Amino acid sequence: ETGVTQTPRHLVMGMTNKKSLKCEQHLGHNAMYWYKQSAKKPLELMFVYSLEERVENNSVPSRFSPECPNSSHLFLHLHTLQPEDSALYLCASSQRDRANTGELFFGEGSRLTVL
Amino acid sequence: AQKITQTQPGMFVQEKEAVTLDCTYDTSDQSYGLFWYKQPSSGEMIFLIYQGSYDEQNATEGRYSLNFQKARKSANLVISASQLGDSAMYFCAMREGTSGTYKYIFGTGTRLKVLA
Repeated sequence: ETGVTQTPRHLVMGMTNKKSLKCEQHLGHNAMYWYKQSAKKPLELMFVYSLEERVENNSVPSRFSPECPNSSHLFLHLHTLQPEDSALYLCASSQRDRANTGELFFGEGSRLTVL
Repeated sequence: AQKITQTQPGMFVQEKEAVTLDCTYDTSDQSYGLFWYKQPSSGEMIFLIYQGSYDEQNATEGRYSLNFQKARKSANLVISASQLGDSAMYFCAMREGTSGTYKYIFGTGTRLKVLA
């Protein structure tokens, strides 16, 4: 099993659809993240969950709704998106403790296109 | 103000040559970490190398080394003996904060093309 798995890899949706992105990590980490990657922009942090509690939300529009049911799974629920939301959505995990360098382990991403 | 700056949008290097990818950062924290990631066309971000702010020696991992100049706030990635498979986007990132509140900030990336 790969460390961080994201599904689906590609998603095309209309502005009125509701869909979800799924992320699963098999590394035993205690923090999970959603990042948005748009062309020619730095990665934008959307949400951080540490020990299943959301610790950061960087003013993301409410049409994005995260869910972290346990330390291994993270979802991003999508509804009434806009064309500018088209991007690569990357999930990552890390182990947050003093003894660790804390590097992020990323999934392969979900390429979202909003029509 | 941008906290991670990568000034080279694109770079070319001849196969088997060395290449340096630039990264400067800005932080007021005393404790921080610096990372380099590689992103091939498949999309996955692959961790390459880490440098802690208190590390006195430059980090090395195989063909990757990090030229850490703390006073200049730079953390350049050096890839030695470039291979065709090194063609990818490369991102510099910084981790700030304490273990309970880590924040990761990324640069805009440098696209490296290795020429045969």
